[in-house]
Amino acid sequence: QSALTQPPSASGSPGQSVTISCTGTSSDVGGYNYVSWYQQYPGKAPKLMIYEVSKRPSGVPDRFSGSKSGNTASLTVSGLQAEDEADYYCSSYINTNNLVFGGGTTLTVL
Amino acid sequence: QVQLQQSGPGLVKPSQTLSLTCAISGDSVSSNSATWNWIRQSPSRGLEWLGRTYYRSKWYNDYAVSLKSRITVNPDTSENQFSLQLNSVTPEDTAVYYCARGSYWRFDLWGRGTLITVSS
Repeated sequence: QSALTQPPSASGSPGQSVTISCTGTSSDVGGYNYVSWYQQYPGKAPKLMIYEVSKRPSGVPDRFSGSKSGNTASLTVSGLQAEDEADYYCSSYINTNNLVFGGGTTLTVL
Repeated sequence: QVQLQQSGPGLVKPSQTLSLTCAISGDSVSSNSATWNWIRQSPSRGLEWLGRTYYRSKWYNDYAVSLKSRITVNPDTSENQFSLQLNSVTPEDTAVYYCARGSYWRFDLWGRGTLITVSS
């Protein structure tokens, strides 16, 4: 199965909002609500930020939100802060008990 | 506090078997709600889910379609850990390998990662 499609980069100024897209197919993103988003700093393991499209784990700021429309999921970071500068990856369940990740988006806070 | 501690050699020769172990503290490999996963990351392939093991009255495994013929993920209840074996490795298998706890296809706890280099 092919990786989910994410833009390689995104950017915004402190305080602004930025949205990162994650496009798949009806076999993954469009077919199931098991879309997750991860934040990763260089040299560190990914951290779960959003699961099941729009749910936030305990401890994740409510500045992070997720949504889905058709075959595209989105992660929105509101009120950008310097610490949000990181790589972001989406993932989705795909039929036959497998999982696929997106290629990743580097978020730059200007 | 739940933690995952990875161990294994950092260098594997081509055609040999890559073996990694993930020791669990603060949770159980036999948990009826968690799954235990291996994920790898490389510059060329990005993040790639490899496979998982989990217990729901009996043991189950799922593997990435692309690796199904080469991969085994096994639980070890006596040591409360799980392992990854990847056979017939090539330089393409060079990556940082992570173990992770999962639930409904999300991964809420990750190991620190182990760089595995495949080279003679």
